[in-house]
Amino acid sequence: QVQLQESGPGLVKPSQTLSLTCTVSGGSISSGSYYWSWIRQPAGKGLEWIGRIYTSGSTNYNPSLKSRVTISVDTSKNQFSLKLSSVTAADTAVYYCARGGETYRFDPWGQGTLVTVSS
Amino acid sequence: QSALTQPRSVSGSPGQSVTISCTGTSSDVGGYNYVSWYQQHPGKAPKLMIYDVSKRPSGVPDRFSGSKSGNTASLTISGLQAEDEADYYCCSYAGSYTLSVVFGGGTKLTVL
Repeated sequence: QVQLQESGPGLVKPSQTLSLTCTVSGGSISSGSYYWSWIRQPAGKGLEWIGRIYTSGSTNYNPSLKSRVTISVDTSKNQFSLKLSSVTAADTAVYYCARGGETYRFDPWGQGTLVTVSS
Repeated sequence: QSALTQPRSVSGSPGQSVTISCTGTSSDVGGYNYVSWYQQHPGKAPKLMIYDVSKRPSGVPDRFSGSKSGNTASLTISGLQAEDEADYYCCSYAGSYTLSVVFGGGTKLTVL
């Protein structure tokens, strides 16, 4: 079955850009009517949807993060990526990638990766 | 957009039933039948338990059920088991203008 795995630096300095990649295995990122999302969770807090991308390249972002977020896809590598600019300590969280379905459900999820923003 | 409102915690004894509510607005929960629920054990990724308000993915026990009335969705877990102790999050499509998604703040379920 499809599996997702996040990768990227675990520590980012304030004001810099956070960059993460999600690698999809067990199936083609281009197959089916799916989209690919990023979701984050600060320690001890709830989930926050960051945005999504279709393999066509079409994107939608959380309005509260839209000015700082870019999600891209590389179908040749079966990967999609997240860039979050001008980070602050408030962006410290576990970042998950997930596959999205037609009715806005997320399944499966990656295991998550902790990104800490600190100097 | 604001997070959906869930109770911070609920509890129940083994074998009992519990219900977790998720309150939104007519722009999200009340406006679409796109509510999903996720179970998250400590240190683990969330797992899809319910989608489209009341549908269960393959492999999810039928002890888990979902419903919706107006702007409030609910997750009911019957025949509570120790392994059901976890955090639960609701999620809803949040409108055709922003094409975004909103989560609830999460509910900690304690099995007594």
